[in-house]
Amino acid sequence: GENVEQHPSTLSVQEGDSAVIKCTYSDSASNYFPWYKQELGKRPQLIIDIRSNVGEKKDQRIAVTLNKTAKHFSLHITETQPEDSAVYFCAVNNAGNMLTFGGGTRLMVKP
Amino acid sequence: SQTIHQWPATLVQPVGSPLSLECTVEGTSNPNLYWYRQAAGRGLQLLFYSVGIGQISSEVPQNLSASRPQDRQFILSSKKLLLSDSGFYLCAWGPFRGAGELFFGEGSRLTVL
Repeated sequence: GENVEQHPSTLSVQEGDSAVIKCTYSDSASNYFPWYKQELGKRPQLIIDIRSNVGEKKDQRIAVTLNKTAKHFSLHITETQPEDSAVYFCAVNNAGNMLTFGGGTRLMVKP
Repeated sequence: SQTIHQWPATLVQPVGSPLSLECTVEGTSNPNLYWYRQAAGRGLQLLFYSVGIGQISSEVPQNLSASRPQDRQFILSSKKLLLSDSGFYLCAWGPFRGAGELFFGEGSRLTVL
């Protein structure tokens, strides 16, 4: 089955700095790559996603880049703010369009 | 708009007791439905998914079962809980066709003592 590795598992940055989280996957047929944000005790919520027909997508301070050849994609958060502190999960679809999630990254933004 | 409700929000159960978590979706027809479990500080593990009434697939062998008695209702059950069943359980729905966003319920935090 699909194997999704996410790094780093924890990330601490100073407010205003950028944060980058990377995921690698194994199934070359995967074509949907979402990122979810989960605040403490809450449900995961989609913050951005990308499909395999594009290499980059941006939404204000958040961007996702995809390298299909190397089978990895990354979440970029610029000008981080304390409210960006949360756990972030990447995910990848498999042949049955089920999502396999990475292990999560705990992002801490220090004011 | 679509909404997803999940209950109860929290429960504390003794080892060996039964479990029933319920999830309902509104505003969409024939959704794919999912149960995920999240252990403390860990990732999301897919437990069950359903593409239609009465159709349940399990991703991992376990002490739990799932049922889908109606199109927009998904139930997670156990006859006898184990300590290892503790966790945060999330119901989710997604599009019937193709890959797309998963919408999660509020979650049910289960503590087995």
